[in-house]
Amino acid sequence: AAGVIQSPRHLIKEKRETATLKCYPIPRHDTVYWYQQGPGQDPQFLISFYEKMQSDKGSIPDRFSAQQFSDYHSELNMSSLELGDSALYFCASNKQGETGELFFGEGSRLTVL
Amino acid sequence: GENVEQHPSTLSVQEGDSAVIKCTYSDSASNYFPWYKQELGKGPQLIIDIRSNVGEKKDQRIAVTLNKTAKHFSLHITETQPEDSAVYFCAASAKAAGNKLTFGGGTRVLVKP
Repeated sequence: AAGVIQSPRHLIKEKRETATLKCYPIPRHDTVYWYQQGPGQDPQFLISFYEKMQSDKGSIPDRFSAQQFSDYHSELNMSSLELGDSALYFCASNKQGETGELFFGEGSRLTVL
Repeated sequence: GENVEQHPSTLSVQEGDSAVIKCTYSDSASNYFPWYKQELGKGPQLIIDIRSNVGEKKDQRIAVTLNKTAKHFSLHITETQPEDSAVYFCAASAKAAGNKLTFGGGTRVLVKP
């Protein structure tokens, strides 16, 4: 079965640079969630989109933005990168109205030098 | 918002023994409680979940119990095997909150052969 696809899997950037992460949800899923997981930490909710509209916002820095496109894929844009942005970024998807289960991708590891 | 506490943070068991992880949540509106297993460098994988209208659920060696009154739920793994070694996260969500998951802090389980 198709899973959530994230790209790139690994990304290395310098401080103050920008980065874009992409997420392709499971077909038929209409909701995408972004999470940030620091080393040894639990995943922290950043933002979610339902039917291309932002549905909820968590601890996402103002330097970050995201959107969901007409094909339901989502992109997380991160600017003015800081060392503390180094983390695993997970995307999850589900279909509203079905079970609450979120299906997670394998994550994108961002390293800021 | 929802707050999920998870204990213990680390758990070392002998192969064949049982492992128990406990979580509490704060938002009485939460109605979905999944457990995720995360292996190094991978995304969280759902292993079992329970809804607020059920007190217990079992799937082979894994069981979850929910006490809605006390707002706590637990994961039980019996006959542990070395491949059960991983980080386990509990989480809670409410449909009214868009099914956004709030995670506990995680438990690193080590099964010693």
